[in-house]
Parts: sequence; C-alpha cells; structure tokens
Amino acid sequence: GAVVSQHPSWVICKSGTSVKIECRSLDFQATTMFWYRQFPKQSLMLMATSNEGSKATYEQGVEKDKFLINHASLTLSTLTVTSAHPEDSSFYICSARDTIRESYTFGSGTRLTVV
Amino acid sequence: DAKTTQPTSMDCAEGRAANLPCNHSTISGNEYVYWYRQIHSQGPQYIIHGLKNNETNEMASLIITEDRKSSTLILPHATLRDTAVYYCIVRGYTGANSKLTFGKGITLSVRP
Repeated sequence: GAVVSQHPSWVICKSGTSVKIECRSLDFQATTMFWYRQFPKQSLMLMATSNEGSKATYEQGVEKDKFLINHASLTLSTLTVTSAHPEDSSFYICSARDTIRESYTFGSGTRLTVV
Repeated sequence: DAKTTQPTSMDCAEGRAANLPCNHSTISGNEYVYWYRQIHSQGPQYIIHGLKNNETNEMASLIITEDRKSSTLILPHATLRDTAVYYCIVRGYTGANSKLTFGKGITLSVRP
C-alpha cells in the first residue's frame, strides 16, 4: 500500500530557531499534501494544503510566514516552523493524497518541543 | 468544520464485533465517507472508505444507510490492538472540498 515517510519523528529546539519537517511519499506521486497539527487530547487540525509547484493554501488563523511550506517535487513536501516558540510545541502530521488510488496516507508524525 | 457527529466513546469485549456509528446528515451526493483510526502518538491509519455501497476489506466493513445520512464501521473481531480513536470523515471530491477535516472521533476501548 501507499507509504508516507515523515522525518524527524521528534525534535527539540530552542526558542527563536527554525525547524524543518520533511514528508515524502515513497511509492506514489502526490500532487497534494496536507499538514496538520495536534495538541494533547485534541483532534487533528488542518494547517495547510500543499500543492506541487504552487503556493500552499493556509487555513484561517494559520500564519503563512511562520509555517513555511515547500512542495518542490511530486514526492516531497516540507514544513518549516520559523522562529519557534514554546506554544508551537505540538505533534505535526503530514498526509499525501494518491489520486490514482483515491487514498490519503499519513506520516507517522513529528513531535516538536520548543524549549 | 467537521460534517460528522460520533459518540465520544464506547467499549467492547475482545473477540466481539465493534460497531462504531457516525452521523453525517448533511452529506452531499458526491461526498465520500472515510474512516481512519489513530493509536496514541502515531499518524492516522486508513481503514476504509465508501460512497454509496457497503464496503468490506481485510480490516473492517462499512455500512452506509440508503439515505447516506449515517454509517457504521464494523470491526468483526475486535482485539486489544484495536483500541484507538476512530474518525469518521466526509470528504468532497475536488478542490477545497477534497481535504480531510477531522472531528473529535470516538475512542474505542477493547477490554480483555
């Protein structure tokens, strides 16, 4: 089946620094990928939709200058959390859409802790 | 906003069938019903999806009512490893409607 690889699985960074998270579709091409954030005991909240070769579409309330998304190829999307602060600490999850199988496959998530 | 409503939690005995209900009374004709589950601190795992007809795969069965306003996910023989949060999601086919919007889900606890 479809596989999505997300790295790193966890990261600890200092306040003010930037962190990049990678999401790769391993056995299919994904023109569309999605980035979610999940706080403890809450559901997944969609942050943005990433389209290959074009700008990402951000959900209301998500700062596009803080959460930079790049989808330069059909198999890779990256999320960069810029100038991270402790309130950005969360579980970040990516998803890739396989339009042939009409499926959405999720990565294993990245636990970000900002200290 | 999520277009589905699910009970907050339920439990079932190991080895028995788990029937997880979902209401989606405002579903449109071209919208799919997807089910995912999430085990603690992992990414969601795809279970099954359907449009109008009932569907079955190696993991579960999806029963959609004729008016499509509700559905039931059936895990035929629940095991302890099926303990997770299960999300019922309605998804459109194209454009902005093609994204998956998660509600609160239902927490299934399988007891020995």
